Amino acid sequence: AQSVTQPDIHITVSEGASLELRCNYSYGATPYLFWYVQSPGQGLQLLLKYFSGDTLVQGIKGFEAEFKRSQSSFNLRKPSVHWSDAAEYFCAVGAEAAGNKLTFGGGTRVLVKP
Amino acid sequence: EPEVTQTPSHQVTQMGQEVILRCVPISNHLYFYWYRQILGQKVEFLVSFYNNEISEKSEIFDDQFSVERPDGSNFTLKIRSTKLEDSAMYFCASSGQTGRTEAFFGQGTRLTVV
Repeated sequence: AQSVTQPDIHITVSEGASLELRCNYSYGATPYLFWYVQSPGQGLQLLLKYFSGDTLVQGIKGFEAEFKRSQSSFNLRKPSVHWSDAAEYFCAVGAEAAGNKLTFGGGTRVLVKP
Repeated sequence: EPEVTQTPSHQVTQMGQEVILRCVPISNHLYFYWYRQILGQKVEFLVSFYNNEISEKSEIFDDQFSVERPDGSNFTLKIRSTKLEDSAMYFCASSGQTGRTEAFFGQGTRLTVV
């Protein structure tokens, strides 16, 4: 069975500072990995995805994530946070063998200080 | 840009009543999903639908739930007799194919059962 852990429930970061959100997954085969962002009252917007190949993937809004198979991790990073990045971030794992259903982590809420 | 649309955005219903949540997936997509997010909890998979039948469902998706694609564009989730614990945000998603493709999510329907 797939599972995803996001160890940090809340992170507060100053505007302009760097941000890293942790994600660890459990899945027997090569997973498909995703990061979604949810602004208050909004739906889930895809930030980036990993299927195979280059382990460093670039996404929208200046985000990137690195897949590390040895650590079963897919951490999300942004070099310089903007106030508009305040939101909840969800890591998710999917697999073709699982019919592409996604298993989500618990989410990390990011607060941005001015 | 194509998007998944959900209606209504909010629905309040009395316990025991039937509700139908509606979704219009992206037009050339073939795989459809419902997820839910109880306030403060993680996003959970409910059901996936392909080729006019359920391809997978979770333990949450009991006999009170049903899905239908009544025409070529809509995808609905029906809850037959709502309970208080059905109060949640319900997300519809669609994807174009299985395998290396992401799911696109709608904005969600917030269901409140009173």
